[in-house]
Amino acid sequence: DIQMTQSPSSLSASPGDRVTISCRASQIINRHLNWYQHKPGEAPKLLISAASGLQTGVPSRFSGSGSGTDFSLTISSLQLEDFATYFCQQSYYTPFTFGQGTKLEIK
Amino acid sequence: EVELVESGGGLVQPGGSLRLSCAVAGFTFSSYWMSWVRQAPGKGLEWVANIKQDGSEKEYVDSVKGRFTISRDNAKNSLYLQMNNLRAEDTALYYCARFHGDYEIGNWYFDPWGRGTLVTVSS
Repeated sequence: DIQMTQSPSSLSASPGDRVTISCRASQIINRHLNWYQHKPGEAPKLLISAASGLQTGVPSRFSGSGSGTDFSLTISSLQLEDFATYFCQQSYYTPFTFGQGTKLEIK
Repeated sequence: EVELVESGGGLVQPGGSLRLSCAVAGFTFSSYWMSWVRQAPGKGLEWVANIKQDGSEKEYVDSVKGRFTISRDNAKNSLYLQMNNLRAEDTALYYCARFHGDYEIGNWYFDPWGRGTLVTVSS
């Protein structure tokens, strides 16, 4: 199975900060990489597909980049509603696998 | 409004069975593959199973093959997961999700999701 490794596993930041979360695949997955936001008690939400495709309704402060094995999710200016856990997911190989998550907390 | 609502979770003893349901509204259920994804306490997300629009194709993660069965009823806009011979490691929050993506580039994702139903396997 493809292992997806996210870093850091947790991150403390302040509103207005710029943060970047990394996701590394154990094999080349081209751009078959998606990002999700998950808040406790809520349904996970798709933010970005195919490495950089911002989903409709997702604020433009979110962006994704990368290809091959290394990917990143950047939030340009943190808002209070962005404090959540973020997961990456590859769809190049089955089984589709997720990273272990990055918990973004308020500093 | 698109909505997926899971139900059927609970406490079950090892070796027991549960049947999860997911009621779907707000999109043409019969037009999409559907999935179950789970999250064990303190762990990341794990894809469990997929089912094709007409139920003719099903895919499972190795750890549940032979024990779990995904099914659907398009007339009732409902997705199911029959879980047999449950183990402690099956304890998780189980989410249903629509499975789709970009056919041109072959990128597949889960969107939207429900809020999940909790399955606890313990004696």
